[in-house]
Amino acid sequence: KQEVTQIPAALSVPEGENLVLNCSFTDSAIYNLQWFRQDPGKGLTSLLLIQSSQREQTSGRLNASLDKSSGRSTLYIAASQPGDSATYLCAVLGGHYTGANSKLTFGKGITLSVRP
Amino acid sequence: SQTIHQWPATLVQPVGSPLSLECTVEGTSNPNLYWYRQAAGRGLQLLFYSVGIGQISSEVPQNLSASRPQDRQFILSSKKLLLSDSGFYLCAWSPPLAGTLNEQFFGPGTRLTVL
Repeated sequence: KQEVTQIPAALSVPEGENLVLNCSFTDSAIYNLQWFRQDPGKGLTSLLLIQSSQREQTSGRLNASLDKSSGRSTLYIAASQPGDSATYLCAVLGGHYTGANSKLTFGKGITLSVRP
Repeated sequence: SQTIHQWPATLVQPVGSPLSLECTVEGTSNPNLYWYRQAAGRGLQLLFYSVGIGQISSEVPQNLSASRPQDRQFILSSKKLLLSDSGFYLCAWSPPLAGTLNEQFFGPGTRLTVL
């Protein structure tokens, strides 16, 4: 059974700092990995998707990497801003087959607070 | 572009009352549709998924049911709510074809409180 872990559960940093959010998963047989952002009381916004054959993806100040063999992904946020404050969730799509019944398994998220 | 809607946004219901939450997707055809629940401290849990009209798969045994009466409409229901049904319910969709990125896109959610 796939398990996804995100540690720490919460993180507080001063504005301008570069930071790394970690995600680990137990079963390396994944199809892809997604990073999401969730603001309080809101739905999930997809930030980046990395296919299992890729090593990283970039969007603006965000860079996500994937090391499938070690079961790890990181989300790098450059020059953090107060507007980056949110919960960041990592999710892996399991298995060699992709379809609706390929489950997304989520971590519990990291709540980030960027202090002005 | 595709958009996903959920309503209501918030709901407070007494124990034992019925439930109906609705999700609709615009701008795509034959999407895969999903219902998730997010409970405090427990992360997101997949409840149901659907690959087409009338086709529903349940991931966990529970007090809830799902239906897909139209291609882009997904409904979550209960005949009698329990306290443990409280949570944040999220609907999601993904493209219909296997072999694509299978990226999932989420709606704004419904906050359900059962008293």
